[in-house]
Amino acid sequence: GAVVSQHPSWVICKSGTSVKIECRSLDFQATTMFWYRQFPKQSLMLMATSNEGSKATYEQGVEKDKFLINHASLTLSTLTVTSAHPEDSSFYICSGKQGSQPQHFGDGTRLSIL
Amino acid sequence: ELKVEQNPLFLSMQEGKNYTIYCNYSTTSDRLYWYRQDPGKSLESLFVLLSNGAVKQEGRLMASLDTKARLSTLHITAAVHDLSATYFCAVVPFSGAGSYQLTFGKGTKLSVIP
Repeated sequence: GAVVSQHPSWVICKSGTSVKIECRSLDFQATTMFWYRQFPKQSLMLMATSNEGSKATYEQGVEKDKFLINHASLTLSTLTVTSAHPEDSSFYICSGKQGSQPQHFGDGTRLSIL
Repeated sequence: ELKVEQNPLFLSMQEGKNYTIYCNYSTTSDRLYWYRQDPGKSLESLFVLLSNGAVKQEGRLMASLDTKARLSTLHITAAVHDLSATYFCAVVPFSGAGSYQLTFGKGTKLSVIP
């Protein structure tokens, strides 16, 4: 089946640093990638949708200048959390899809900002 | 705005018992998904339901969809401890433009007690 690889799986860093999370589709071309955030004991909230070669569309309340999304190829999307602060600590999950096929989820990245 | 409501949010049940989780949504939908999430893990796809009256079964789990009532159910038969997890339903709203964004319910945390 379709596989989405997300890296890193866990990152701990100091407040004020920037963190990059990669999301790769290994065996299909992800024309669309989605980034979600999940706080403890809560559901997944969509942060942004990106189509390859286009600017990402951010959901209301998500700061585009803080959460930089790049989807430069059909197999790679990155999320960069700039100047991260403790309130950005969360579980970030990406998913990729090809055309009208279902989304395939990565394993998630647990981000902890000290 | 699409709203997805799951009930119950927490469920504790004994092994061997049956129970149903409900997922209501507020607008016409293209398709509905059920996912399982184990602690600290990403989502595992369980079912996708595409049409009114659709029923799918895998092991002790059975999902159904009533598009007229805007209701999906996830039925657990003779629960076992391994089914303990959080279960999410997610809905893709119907859109002529072919939107594929998922809106998630809040999740149902299931604990199966020996």
